[in-house]
Amino acid sequence: EAQVTQNPRYLITVTGKKLTVTCSQNMNHEYMSWYRQDPGLGLRQIYYSMNVEVTDKGDVPEGYKVSRKEKRNFPLILESPSPNQTSLYFCASSRDPTRYGYTFGSGTRLTVV
Amino acid sequence: TQLLEQSPQFLSIQEGENLTVYCNSSSVFSSLQWYRQEPGEGPVLLVTVVTGGEVKKLKRLTFQFGDARKDSSLHITAAQPGDTGLYLCADPIGGSNYKLTFGKGTLLTVNP
Repeated sequence: EAQVTQNPRYLITVTGKKLTVTCSQNMNHEYMSWYRQDPGLGLRQIYYSMNVEVTDKGDVPEGYKVSRKEKRNFPLILESPSPNQTSLYFCASSRDPTRYGYTFGSGTRLTVV
Repeated sequence: TQLLEQSPQFLSIQEGENLTVYCNSSSVFSSLQWYRQEPGEGPVLLVTVVTGGEVKKLKRLTFQFGDARKDSSLHITAAQPGDTGLYLCADPIGGSNYKLTFGKGTLLTVNP
């Protein structure tokens, strides 16, 4: 089944403790992206990647890092999480977002205390 | 950054009713995508509209793209509880970025 898989689905962590949210897709898509979704603010793009080793900042990149060493994987790294990064995070992939839209994962609900 | 405004923000209706939700921008859309997000899941693409004046149908859902490509609407006929969800419009920004900017959505609840 074609899908985008994120792990974990739920995570509670403490301020400052580095964490990684993994994302993997099995559709051989070039484009991948991370979004966060917050009440009243909607979905906002954090980072995106056009291919292996090619990444760029979205609208809210501060406090996040990404890497794209392999085509299928696009992990999101929070080096020093803070409470304002408490959010619902989505990874997405596409062969061409403009023409075909994104396929989204099921989300990771992160709470930073 | 182009802002997408969706209305209404919330909509609660009874099963069998018809409804329309809207997506507007002050700028011209290159194209427009509509997604539905169910509770606890990621958004799922419903349709992409590209040409001004375009109408697309997906079962009971009808999508229209304004002639000037600055607005779009989603009409649902005879709504069912399974239509409940957050309806999002998104503007794909092409060129070298391939970013996708989303509106804040319309949260639809269809009561049995």
